[in-house]
Amino acid sequence: NAGVMQNPRHLVRRRGQEARLRCSPMKGHSHVYWYRQLPEEGLKFMVYLQKENIIDESGMPKERFSAEFPKEGPSILRIQQVVRGDSAAYFCASSPYSLYQETQYFGPGTRLLVL
Amino acid sequence: AQSVAQPEDQVNVAEGNPLTVKCTYSVSGNPYLFWYVQYPNRGLQFLLKYITGDNLVKGSYGFEAEFNKSQTSFHLKKPSALVSDSALYFCAVRDPKISTDSWGKLQFGAGTQVVVTP
Repeated sequence: NAGVMQNPRHLVRRRGQEARLRCSPMKGHSHVYWYRQLPEEGLKFMVYLQKENIIDESGMPKERFSAEFPKEGPSILRIQQVVRGDSAAYFCASSPYSLYQETQYFGPGTRLLVL
Repeated sequence: AQSVAQPEDQVNVAEGNPLTVKCTYSVSGNPYLFWYVQYPNRGLQFLLKYITGDNLVKGSYGFEAEFNKSQTSFHLKKPSALVSDSALYFCAVRDPKISTDSWGKLQFGAGTQVVVTP
């Protein structure tokens, strides 16, 4: 059973470009979470999605960031007009249910570097 | 609002000695608590969780954690550390109350770097 898949693993962008990060949850999981890890910091929640629904986006910056989880295909985290401060590791996690005790399983992350 | 604290940036221990990584939390009601481990340039691996029941929780790779409600702590322990346990350890809390502020998300501590020397 494959784990959470993320691609690309590494992404280099110049300031002003767009970054698209993809996450395929574990088989049978319909809940996806995105977290960001800035250098020398812990993980910060960004957004929680179910298929075709954004449940909680309280951790998303108000501008330039968006996320989706379509009926078919992976979840996408999109960052428009990237700036150097967006350089971080972005982790996706998935769980099968929305019950609070359910464990979130993490992918290997996408490391974004903005030049 | 929920929060979690890991008071030690780094813990150094000799191989074969007991390992303890500290975590304290703040949340209304009964918390759901988790420990994850991160190896360099890798994602987070789940170690164990406390939801309810026995205060001593056993997890992967010989790790265990003790939930202490009076001290609001959830310290991670391993009786005999291995060099391969050297990694970054994160404690996380999930608020059990349904609210738009806390729905679904894990609140992570800053992490504790564990260094096990041969």
